[in-house]
Amino acid sequence: AQSVTQLDSQVPVFEEAPVELRCNYSSSVSVYLFWYVQYPNQGLQLLLKYLSGSTLVKGINGFEAEFNKSQTSFHLRKPSVHISDTAEYFCAVSDRGSGGSNYKLTFGKGTLLTVNP
Amino acid sequence: NAGVTQTPKFQVLKTGQSMTLQCAQDMNHNSMYWYRQDPGMGLRLIYYSASEGTTDKGEVPNGYNVSRLNKREFSLRLESAAPSQTSVYFCASLRLAGENEQFFGPGTRLTVL
Repeated sequence: AQSVTQLDSQVPVFEEAPVELRCNYSSSVSVYLFWYVQYPNQGLQLLLKYLSGSTLVKGINGFEAEFNKSQTSFHLRKPSVHISDTAEYFCAVSDRGSGGSNYKLTFGKGTLLTVNP
Repeated sequence: NAGVTQTPKFQVLKTGQSMTLQCAQDMNHNSMYWYRQDPGMGLRLIYYSASEGTTDKGEVPNGYNVSRLNKREFSLRLESAAPSQTSVYFCASLRLAGENEQFFGPGTRLTVL
């Protein structure tokens, strides 16, 4: 079984400040890793994903994340946030293996990022 | 392409009523999913369909049934709604398991009184 822990339920920051949203996962097998963003009253959309290769992954809207296998972490960062980045962010994992488990995503509980002027 | 569409957008039910949430995708994806989202709980998988003709239970299937009508459509039915089923419901689809990027619909906000 897999689990995802997002360490902060809420992160308030000021505009143009850097931000890091933390994600740790637990799995007995190799995983794929994802960050999704949900703007108010909308569905989720993919920010970035780690499948293989370079552990630093760049996504949309200036976000990036680093996969750290030894620490089982996949933290999301942005060097300078904007008001429009206010949203809820979800970390998710899926099994790399074959069979039914790799069709499914396990989500963290989400981090609400609020960017203040 | 419309992507993943869901109807209705909003619904209010009384306890014991039934209803079906509809989901359709026009991306020729193989797998489809139903999630519920509750404050502080993230997204929890209710049911999924790995391919046309198959359905499987997720984390929280009790009180729900699903039908994979064809490759495009995947419906979620509440036979006897309960206040605990008040939630926002999201449908998602996936092209291939190895890629694992799920595409989400806009959601259905359901209130059960």
